[in-house]
Amino acid sequence: GAVVSQHPSRVICKSGTSVKIECRSLDFQATTMFWYRQFPKQSLMLMATSNEGSKATYEQGVEKDKFLINHASLTLSTLTVTSAHPEDSSFYICSARALTTGIDEQYFGPGTRLTVT
Amino acid sequence: QKEVEQNSGPLSVPEGAIASLNCTYSDRGSQSFFWYRQYSGKSPELIMSIYSNGDKEDGRFTAQLNKASQYVSLLIRDSQPSDSATYLCAVNPPANRDDKIIFGKGTRLHILP
Repeated sequence: GAVVSQHPSRVICKSGTSVKIECRSLDFQATTMFWYRQFPKQSLMLMATSNEGSKATYEQGVEKDKFLINHASLTLSTLTVTSAHPEDSSFYICSARALTTGIDEQYFGPGTRLTVT
Repeated sequence: QKEVEQNSGPLSVPEGAIASLNCTYSDRGSQSFFWYRQYSGKSPELIMSIYSNGDKEDGRFTAQLNKASQYVSLLIRDSQPSDSATYLCAVNPPANRDDKIIFGKGTRLHILP
């Protein structure tokens, strides 16, 4: 299957600072990438859909000014958590959509565990 | 209104038996269907995709799709303790909807040694 990487895998930051998470599709081009958040023992929660070269579409209740998404190329999307607070501590997971003839699949990165102190 | 429904479990299955996971979806025109496995503390991993009615087999896994009844299932034969995980069903809505794949909340599977 296709490979999606995320960096960093873990990050600890102080309250009020910003953190950038990178998501890359390594062996395919992804016109669409997705950002999810998952709290312990809870379901995946979609935060936003990111299309290359256009503004991200945020889900209801997700602050677009706090969670900045940039999809600069067909292989890279970034999520910046601005002015982080302890309640932003979570597992952030990106995914990339691989769309070719007859195939439409979504692959996840390994996730980034964010801890805000 | 939930669009993809799964029993949350836990579903306990003895080692070596067949585990059967089920999922129903609401959008009749949905195009593609997926099963992901998620271990605790890890991200989801795509294990099966199915696009047409019937069965699709891959090793110990068989996905079954019935579009008329709007359900998709996953069978795991010869269940192993390493199969213990949460299994997420996902559905790609009709082509005139946005790009989002819709996930169920997952079924926790526990294989009893």
